[in-house]
Amino acid sequence: DAGVIQSPRHEVTEMGQEVTLRCKPISGHDYLFWYRQTMMRGLELLIYFNNNVPIDDSGMPEDRFSAKMPNASFSTLKIQPSEPRDSAVYFCASRPGLAGVNEQFFGPGTRLTVL
Amino acid sequence: AQSVSQHNHHVILSEAASLELGCNYSYGGTVNLFWYVQYPGQHLQLLLKYFSGDPLVKGIKGFEAEFIKSKFSFNLRKPSVQWSDTAEYFCAVTPVGGNTPLVFGKGTRLSVIA
Repeated sequence: DAGVIQSPRHEVTEMGQEVTLRCKPISGHDYLFWYRQTMMRGLELLIYFNNNVPIDDSGMPEDRFSAKMPNASFSTLKIQPSEPRDSAVYFCASRPGLAGVNEQFFGPGTRLTVL
Repeated sequence: AQSVSQHNHHVILSEAASLELGCNYSYGGTVNLFWYVQYPGQHLQLLLKYFSGDPLVKGIKGFEAEFIKSKFSFNLRKPSVQWSDTAEYFCAVTPVGGNTPLVFGKGTRLSVIA
């Protein structure tokens, strides 16, 4: 299995632009998570999905952030408009839906720089 | 809600020194505990996990962790670190049987110098 796939790996954009981050979870995994990592705040959970349905988006910082999961193999995290304080590494993770299997598998991350 | 505290922000050790990274969690029920490692420029990878049974858990690369329920702790140890252990280490917790995401600590950066 290729693991969790994220694209792009690096994104540099200017303030005010729309940014779309993409994630392909491991096949067969029912849960998908979006995290943001910064030096100041560490690893923060933004939103997670179960069977393509958003379960908890309380970590999404503000309305500029939105996430979708149109099918079991694809999710997007969109920031519109982007701001310099959004600069961070964004990780996607997935895990199986089996009871008791809590290990999360992480993707390589997208390093976002907003100028 | 659960929370995880990693008290050491940055630890610097010489090669061959012993390592212990602290992790405390707050949650009243039964938990699953994890340590993840993030090497420079890479993604988080599972180092070891505790689900039940023997509270001393052995992971990859010579790491181990001990779950002490009375202290709500899950400290990570390694008897002799190597330069290649330089990384950031994250402790995480989730309730047993729940389908909630892992809750991570803020991480401890380990720098191993020659």
